[in-house]
Amino acid sequence: DIQLTQSPSSLSASVGDRVTITCRASQSILTYLNWYQQKPGQAPVLLIYAASFLHGGVPSRFSGGSSGTGFTLTISSLQPEDSATYYCQQSDSAPFNFGPGTKVDIK
Amino acid sequence: QVQLQESGPGVVKPSQTLSLTCSVSGGPFTSGSSYWSWIRQPAGRGLEWIGRIYNSGTTNYNPSLKSRITMSVDTSKNQFSLKLNSVTAADTAIYYCARVNSYYDADGYYYGWYFDLWGRGTLVSVSS
Repeated sequence: DIQLTQSPSSLSASVGDRVTITCRASQSILTYLNWYQQKPGQAPVLLIYAASFLHGGVPSRFSGGSSGTGFTLTISSLQPEDSATYYCQQSDSAPFNFGPGTKVDIK
Repeated sequence: QVQLQESGPGVVKPSQTLSLTCSVSGGPFTSGSSYWSWIRQPAGRGLEWIGRIYNSGTTNYNPSLKSRITMSVDTSKNQFSLKLNSVTAADTAIYYCARVNSYYDADGYYYGWYFDLWGRGTLVSVSS
């Protein structure tokens, strides 16, 4: 099975800060990597697919990148509504695991 | 606008079978190359992919659950279903259904698939 790790597990940042979350795969998954945002009591919402494509309706302050087996989700200017847990997920091979999540809080 | 809605019992007794249905409304159920999927999340924990089913009935299951899972689809009702047998307290979780979509560019290059629509989730507790 492909394992996904995320770092950090949690972070606290101020409004307007640039925030970067990293997801690393245990083996090559090309760019078959998606990012989701989940707020408390809600279902996850797709942010980024195929490592770097912004899903429709998602604010442009979110962006995704990749290098080898490492992937990043960047929020260019953190907003209060971005307080949530962020998960990466691989779609390369079954089981299509999620990362353990990164909780983002606003200072 | 396509919407997904999970339904099923909120409580299941240990060793019995958990049965959930996802109803799809507001859009086509059998178009394109969409798969439909189930994902679960124990309270305060991360997301676990359970399995996926194509409109034709082709399935892929998480190996960790494969021996206990059956997924089915009913295109006439715009629904797909999950059955998980021999449940234990470890199966207590919020269960989400989701649509799987794929991205191909104008040249037909495949970029992968993703969960683009989710139901609101339904809490299933395993308790006697």
